[in-house]
Amino acid sequence: GQSLEQPSEVTAVEGAIVQINCTYQTSGFYGLSWYQQHDGGAPTFLSYNALDGLEETGRFSSFLSRSDSYGYLLLQELQMKDSASYFCAVLNQAGTALIFGKGTTLSVSS
Amino acid sequence: ETGVTQTPRHLVMGMTNKKSLKCEQHLGHNAMYWYKQSAKKPLELMFVYSLEERVENNSVPSRFSPECPNSSHLFLHLHTLQPEDSALYLCASSQGSGTMNTEAFFGQGTRLTVV
Repeated sequence: GQSLEQPSEVTAVEGAIVQINCTYQTSGFYGLSWYQQHDGGAPTFLSYNALDGLEETGRFSSFLSRSDSYGYLLLQELQMKDSASYFCAVLNQAGTALIFGKGTTLSVSS
Repeated sequence: ETGVTQTPRHLVMGMTNKKSLKCEQHLGHNAMYWYKQSAKKPLELMFVYSLEERVENNSVPSRFSPECPNSSHLFLHLHTLQPEDSALYLCASSQGSGTMNTEAFFGQGTRLTVV
């Protein structure tokens, strides 16, 4: 089956850079996705890496190394509104649905 | 209306009650999902529907019964639940084709409390 490991909590200050790591073990691999969930809100899609390397979308970047079964989400110029939970996710073996990590709670302080 | 809409947003039910959660998507997607999110636990996949057919049941107890009457609507029928079933139930949809499933769109969820 699929399993993902990510840190449970990360804290940072406004303007800083933070990296949230994710390691995975999968039967079949289609790529690594990242989602953001604010307290009381719905998870929302941030990024998807199918190939090795860095994908940049504004202040957020995501990296994948398939040989290391490892990826990370990089958040730059942190803002208070970035305080949320961040989940890495992979498709199940059949490719029909996402399996999520336990999530990393990011707290940004001023 | 756009996106994925879930009703009700909050639900309190007794262990002997029967209730249903509703999900509707206006994105033209072919796949729909139910996830359970408990405190300190990851999003747990419960059911997967693709083109209105159930393609996955993730060892969910029979007191949870899904129904997908068409590609836009998904229900979760609940009966004789236990207090440990209290959680946030999230519905999601995706295009339903290979790697297109990596981008799922979630509803706001139903916060269920079983008393």
